[in-house]
Amino acid sequence: DAEITQSPRHKITETGRQVTLACHQTWNHNNMFWYRQDLGHGLRLIHYSYGVQDTNKGEVSDGYSVSRSNTEDLPLTLESAASSQTSVYFCASSSANTEAFFGQGTRLTVV
Amino acid sequence: KQEVTQIPAALSVPEGENLVLNCSFTDSAIYNLQWFRQDPGKGLTSLLLIQSSQREQTSGRLNASLDKSSGRSTLYIAASQPGDSATYLCAVGLPLITPLVFGKGTRLSVIA
Repeated sequence: DAEITQSPRHKITETGRQVTLACHQTWNHNNMFWYRQDLGHGLRLIHYSYGVQDTNKGEVSDGYSVSRSNTEDLPLTLESAASSQTSVYFCASSSANTEAFFGQGTRLTVV
Repeated sequence: KQEVTQIPAALSVPEGENLVLNCSFTDSAIYNLQWFRQDPGKGLTSLLLIQSSQREQTSGRLNASLDKSSGRSTLYIAASQPGDSATYLCAVGLPLITPLVFGKGTRLSVIA
């Protein structure tokens, strides 16, 4: 069955370190998205991609970057981790205007 | 800017009750609307997708309706069970393939 997987599921890192969260989907979807979820804020869009070599900024993109070198993967990089980036991160994928599917999330703690 | 609101933020009902969760959006020019379920510490599970040309979708005990003109969607859960306890989120998709815009969810507790 097709799926979308995130790794790691849990990560603790120190302030200032570079961190990369992985997202891999086997749906063959063109569209991929990264959200963060925080109490009181709900899901907020970080970055998204509509295809290989395409990336776009979301509403909370500062301090984050993505790259899309193939259809299956959209890794999210925190250039220099900050305590404000402690959150749960979700990756999602979809085809054009169809049902979106989410990964199980990565809980990131920055100490 | 599209905004999505879900009221109430939390709801507690006894087992067996039929219930309705509400979702409203500010811009009626949506392409589709999707309902998700999220269990504590888990990801989002897609429940129903309604295209803008549709009025409702059904899956088992779940029925979602869409009224674009009034900017509203409802998720109807029949004969609720304790296993339905979760947070339910709605999200709207906009034309030209833009990312989903989410509401903050309704946390549902079904008491046995």
